Order: sequence, then C-alpha cells, then structure tokens
Amino acid sequence: GIQVEQSPPDLILQEGANSTLRCNFSDSVNNLQWFHQNPWGQLINLFYIPSGTKQNGRLSATTVATERYSLLYISSSQTTDSGVYFCAVDPNQAGTALIFGKGTTLSVSS
Amino acid sequence: DSGVTQTPKHLITATGQRVTLRCSPRSGDLSVYWYQQSLDQGLQFLIQYYNGEERAKGNILERFSAQQFPDLHSELNLSSLELGDSALYFCASSVYTGTNEQFFGPGTRLTVL
Repeated sequence: GIQVEQSPPDLILQEGANSTLRCNFSDSVNNLQWFHQNPWGQLINLFYIPSGTKQNGRLSATTVATERYSLLYISSSQTTDSGVYFCAVDPNQAGTALIFGKGTTLSVSS
Repeated sequence: DSGVTQTPKHLITATGQRVTLRCSPRSGDLSVYWYQQSLDQGLQFLIQYYNGEERAKGNILERFSAQQFPDLHSELNLSSLELGDSALYFCASSVYTGTNEQFFGPGTRLTVL
C-alpha cells in the first residue's frame, strides 16, 4: 500500500521562527490533507490540498503531486502552534480512507 | 468546531466489557469514517459507511463492529475489550461527492483497565 513519510519527526522552535514540514508519499493520490492535533487531542483541519498552493494566515501549504510531496510552512510561530502535524492521503478516488503519516511533533517555546 | 460530534468524550471500562461509541456527522455529509489512534499504531482507519451501507474496511478487529443509521449517525461497538484497545477513537465525515475532505470529531478516549 501507499507509504506516507513525514519529516522531521520532531521540531523545537523559539516563538517567531519559521518552519517547513515535509510529507512524501509513494504513489499518486486524489486527496491530501494537513491536520494539527492540539495538546487536547483534537484533529484540526488545516488544508485540503491535493495539488497547488494555499495560504491561511501564517500557514501555507504546497503539494507537487507529480513529484509526490507536500510542504507545510508555518511562519512567525506561536506557542499555540505546538502539537503534532499530520499529513494524510487518500490514494483512491472519492470516499475512501485517509492514510496518515506518523506526524511531526512541534514544540514552540516563548 | 468541525461540526462532527462524538459521545462520550471519555470512557473507562474493564477488560471483557462491551462499549458503544456514537458519532453524528456534519449536516449534509453522507459518509462516516472511524479511526483509531494508539501510541504504537498511530492513526489507523477502521471502517467507512456511506448513506447507511458499509463502504470500506480497514484494520478493524472482528470484536469491533459498526453501523450507520437512517438519520446518518453512526455507532462503533467494541466488545470483549482488551487492554490494547485503549486508544483515542475518532469519527470523521465527508460529503462523498467530488472532493473528499474529511472533518474529524473531537474523539472518544477509551481506557480499558
């Protein structure tokens, strides 16, 4: 089955720093989503981005489907950005399961 | 708030028992998914229902079962519970037409003692 690899596994930042998280996947996908799991365990949708670039405030994401990777950029990080960031892909067309990477654990200190 | 609701938030029970987790999808979403998050296995897909019918199965144990009702809410039944079933169980929903963006509920944290 499809493999989803995220890097780095852990990231420690000072408040105000920028970071780039990477997601590589081993086969073509029809859906790619980025999630933030906060310290309370909630999974929060960040981006639905099977291809192209999107921005939402300090966060942006780019997926290059032909090269099978996606990047999540976090600028001017804040302590509330701490948590685990997951990339998840749907390798089939519409209505099937998301395959999750193992996540990047981000710790932002003030 | 994703619009997906799950009850209960926390559940503590003993080995051998049976529990039922409940999920209500976002208004208008026909597809419901169940996922399990454990420390050793990460986030894994269990089962999907679409408009009342089972659509796809993942790594769901035979001791686990699910269903989706006519009002589209779903229940996940876990029986003969073992210590290793302790995990965070998520429900997600999607429209299931065209794009398939999934939205996750807050999860049910199950502890088996």
